[in-house]
Amino acid sequence: DQQVKQNSPSLSVQEGRISILNCDYTNSMFDYFLWYKKYPAEGPTFLISISSIKDKNEDGRFTVFLNKSAKHLSLHIVPSQPGDSAVYFCAATGSARQLTFGSGTQLTVLP
Amino acid sequence: EAGVAQSPRYKIIEKRQSVAFWCNPISGHATLYWYQQILGQGPKLLIQFQNNGVVDDSQLPKDRFSAERLKGVDSTLKIQPAKLEDSAVYLCASSDQNTYEQYFGPGTRLTVT
Repeated sequence: DQQVKQNSPSLSVQEGRISILNCDYTNSMFDYFLWYKKYPAEGPTFLISISSIKDKNEDGRFTVFLNKSAKHLSLHIVPSQPGDSAVYFCAATGSARQLTFGSGTQLTVLP
Repeated sequence: EAGVAQSPRYKIIEKRQSVAFWCNPISGHATLYWYQQILGQGPKLLIQFQNNGVVDDSQLPKDRFSAERLKGVDSTLKIQPAKLEDSAVYLCASSDQNTYEQYFGPGTRLTVT
């Protein structure tokens, strides 16, 4: 029973273009959503988050969009850079502050 | 500010042996988490501590896994005896009690042969 799903295991994008990573969730009790980035042999690094009371949060090249009615969120990276190549995890949490992760999307940015 | 520290980084053991992992959270972070990440999956919560008390250990296989957080700072996670399916990366994370963001250590990659 996957409560957080990332249906695309991989994504390749040309340098300078937009990367869009998607995530769906099923639990209506989730009220805070986070994106983490993971390089090989390192732990996940917090990237950006959004509260359920918002529909957009922006931080530099990274923007997260939340569509509560569709239970869908997405991460936009513009412009994409080769250093952005990593595995991106979507995570969701509620009042217990326990993260439920998706299975990740491997982003490859081609020079 | 120092991040979350974990040791060892890598461990190889035979099945039925025991192993222990250590975690030192970010200074001042009251909440500490242990996750298990199997290859190709996202991290899954094993146990959550608030200071030195257990908040949730419902996902911890208690017949073989144990964890403690003495004095509300460092934590250890133990597996005894290990099984082949315990091969995974064990991640420790910590958070401030006023925020949702969790900060992760580098993890310990365990291989059980």
